[in-house]
Amino acid sequence: GAVVSQHPSWVICKSGTSVKIECRSLDFQATTMFWYRQFPKQSLMLMATSNEGSKATYEQGVEKDKFLINHASLTLSTLTVTSAHPEDSSFYICSAKGRAYGYTFGSGTRLTVV
Amino acid sequence: DAKTTQPNSMESNEEEPVHLPCNHSTISGTDYIHWYRQLPSQGPEYVIHGLTSNVNNRMASLAIAEDRKSSTLILHRATLRDAAVYYCIRDSNYQLIWGAGTKLIIKP
Repeated sequence: GAVVSQHPSWVICKSGTSVKIECRSLDFQATTMFWYRQFPKQSLMLMATSNEGSKATYEQGVEKDKFLINHASLTLSTLTVTSAHPEDSSFYICSAKGRAYGYTFGSGTRLTVV
Repeated sequence: DAKTTQPNSMESNEEEPVHLPCNHSTISGTDYIHWYRQLPSQGPEYVIHGLTSNVNNRMASLAIAEDRKSSTLILHRATLRDAAVYYCIRDSNYQLIWGAGTKLIIKP
């Protein structure tokens, strides 16, 4: 079945630094990728949607200059959290959709900013 | 208001059937209904999806009301490994409208 690999699974960084999270579709081409963040005991909250080769579409309230999304190929999307602060600490999850039906999710990245 | 509503939690005994309800009263005719489940600190896992007809797969069954304003995820024989948060999601042309999730507790 379709597999999405997300790395790292957890990361601790200092306040003010940047962190990059990778999301790869391993056995299919992802025409669209989605980035979510999730706070404890809450549902997933969509941050942005990206199509290969074009700029990401950000949800209202999500700062595009803070959360940089690159979807340069059909199998790779990255999310960079720039100048991270403690309030950016969260669980970040990517999801990929290929031409076939369905959404496949990565295993998530636990970001802790200290 | 395009909400998808689910109960916060449900309990069931091991090896008994579980019916997880979801309301999506403003669903349009072309919106798919998805169910995913999530374990702590993991990404969501696909369970089942459907449009109008009831659906069965090796994990579960999905019963969709005739007016499509509600659906029920059915686990025929719950095991301890089925304990998770189950999300009902309305797919409106790739705009996913998530329910808040139902935490399923399985009692041995």
